[in-house]
Amino acid sequence: AQSVSQHNHHVILSEAASLELGCNYSYGGTVNLFWYVQYPGQHLQLLLKYFSGDPLVKGIKGFEAEFIKSKFSFNLRKPSVQWSDTAEYFCAVLASNSGYALNFGKGTSLLVTP
Amino acid sequence: NAGVMQNPRHLVRRRGQEARLRCSPMKGHSHVYWYRQLPEEGLKFMVYLQKENIIDESGMPKERFSAEFPKEGPSILRIQQVVRGDSAAYFCASSPLDLNTGELFFGEGSRLTVL
Repeated sequence: AQSVSQHNHHVILSEAASLELGCNYSYGGTVNLFWYVQYPGQHLQLLLKYFSGDPLVKGIKGFEAEFIKSKFSFNLRKPSVQWSDTAEYFCAVLASNSGYALNFGKGTSLLVTP
Repeated sequence: NAGVMQNPRHLVRRRGQEARLRCSPMKGHSHVYWYRQLPEEGLKFMVYLQKENIIDESGMPKERFSAEFPKEGPSILRIQQVVRGDSAAYFCASSPLDLNTGELFFGEGSRLTVL
């Protein structure tokens, strides 16, 4: 079945640690890829997106993600996390064969400790 | 600039009652999407609407669920004869253009609890 997989459901890091959140998808065809973030008590907001071009995408707040087509992956990275990065992170895929449905992973809950 | 507004934020219904969830998109946005998040699950696409038109309802349950986006007023997601399994967070999102060219702007969600 077509899906978006986020392998880490809960991640706990100390401030200044490096972060990598995995995302794999199983959709064929052309894909647009997104990472959304939901800070505590707030709405979902876009962190970064990939449509085409350079597979290394830079987003807000020092986040970046790399699209590796051969691995069907779009992992999110940040070299040094801050306490304010504590949030829920969602990977999402818009596939050319899935109509208008943005398909989300189950999310990864990140807790950054001081 | 007001974001996507959803109301109510929390709704409690007994089995068999109707639930109506409202969504006002961001100003200037004419594309509205509804998503559902069940406990321990990711967001699942339900329906995509433009003004007065349902474009894609492939994610809507076949019965009891309906959505509209009238020419005037908010988009409405309506659930008739609710059951416990309908308990979830329902998120609305809007965009100014087709999703293939942009991003979604989400509301804070409406949390439905069915007793």
